[in-house]
Amino acid sequence: DAKTTQPNSMESNEEEPVHLPCNHSTISGTDYIHWYRQLPSQGPEYVIHGLTSNVNNRMASLAIAEDRKSSTLILHRATLRDAAVYYCILRDADYNYGQNFVFGPGTRLSVLP
Amino acid sequence: NAGVTQTPKFRILKIGQSMTLQCAQDMNHNYMYWYRQDPGMGLKLIYYSVGAGITDKGEVPNGYNVSRSTTEDFPLRLELAAPSQTSVYFCASSGAGGTGELFFGEGSRLTVL
Repeated sequence: DAKTTQPNSMESNEEEPVHLPCNHSTISGTDYIHWYRQLPSQGPEYVIHGLTSNVNNRMASLAIAEDRKSSTLILHRATLRDAAVYYCILRDADYNYGQNFVFGPGTRLSVLP
Repeated sequence: NAGVTQTPKFRILKIGQSMTLQCAQDMNHNYMYWYRQDPGMGLKLIYYSVGAGITDKGEVPNGYNVSRSTTEDFPLRLELAAPSQTSVYFCASSGAGGTGELFFGEGSRLTVL
């Protein structure tokens, strides 16, 4: 799997937007960009994923650079419940055998009241 | 649907003891995974399975064994427990395809003394 790079930690104020960056300069054409988050004392949960176009769902938006070498997870209005570790992961759509998602250390997001 | 269910949630073992962590999913997913997470770290893949009867090693398989006799169940066996295996263990599953979302269990916290 191609590697991703994320900042170790970020801070945000409650009810403000948060932009979590991820660099993936070695991304291949068939790699999907996935984001997961892990709340304290819980297992990771899916947030969003995309290939080339920007994506929106009820939790967040995913903005993908035109060259696909970076992406940004956008939380539109941070709440205290959004405090978590956020993981950016690449998944090769052609590599069906195994699908071993590789989790790096992620970005620890703190939300200040 | 219960999703991914792990048991036990907590366990203390003595050095040299053996035990099995149970994982079951009710989503008819072909792909199942076992991860471990040490304090403050990301998740590391132990073993994975692409279907009943098929398993393969991940990044950190030493000291563990798995089996996959049914689609639903993917138990993880610890033989001769060591303090280095003190960790939180997560089981996950996903449907087929490189874009498959990962669903995680709540985790099993294991302490080896």
